[in-house]
Amino acid sequence: GAGVSQSPSNKVTEKGKDVELRCDPISGHTALYWYRQSLGQGLEFLIYFQGNSAPDKSGLPSDRFSAERTGGSVSTLTIQRTQQEDSAVYLCASSFTLYRMGYTFGSGTRLTVV
Amino acid sequence: KQEVTQIPAALSVPEGENLVLNCSFTDSAIYNLQWFRQDPGKGLTSLLLIQSSQREQTSGRLNASLDKSSGRSTLYIAASQPGDSATYLCAAFNTDKLIFGTGTRLQVFP
Repeated sequence: GAGVSQSPSNKVTEKGKDVELRCDPISGHTALYWYRQSLGQGLEFLIYFQGNSAPDKSGLPSDRFSAERTGGSVSTLTIQRTQQEDSAVYLCASSFTLYRMGYTFGSGTRLTVV
Repeated sequence: KQEVTQIPAALSVPEGENLVLNCSFTDSAIYNLQWFRQDPGKGLTSLLLIQSSQREQTSGRLNASLDKSSGRSTLYIAASQPGDSATYLCAAFNTDKLIFGTGTRLQVFP
């Protein structure tokens, strides 16, 4: 597609429920990143993919968070047993290559846990 | 561990002023540095990308410079307009990820 697409754009969920956030990168982009932006905070790295592999998962806050990428394209970020502190905007970005090229961000998914 | 700092945190100026936003980073072994703009409730829009071998990049009224040795980048905005009001983020790419500063919130009033 023309840009990075994220869905849903907004998600309100009850505490304890599982949620799935989807990122559809620009076609042909091999690198894909997930970031989280809490209210009034900077962007916090979560995980990145090179192809379907995730060399660095160090930013995932807890084992309730997981992510996968299939076919070198779409990625899903899953949060199990959501907590109120998970409320944030989750941003996805992609790039043609891991190095040297700039990153294009999607519009994000605003997650609210009530 | 890379740390990125942006000064000032907030800036309010009248329309027409030329502005300089500052970004500093602690690890000079970067591949590139990228400036983004974020409007309230929106995602990030890429403004300029400077490779480690470059000194500056220009796009319209925007000019970004990079001095790796001193760990600094500046974003220069000429003839500011109310539409430039947004949060500006710089991000340094080293090792394998973008590390973001906390941003400069810019307001340009008519």
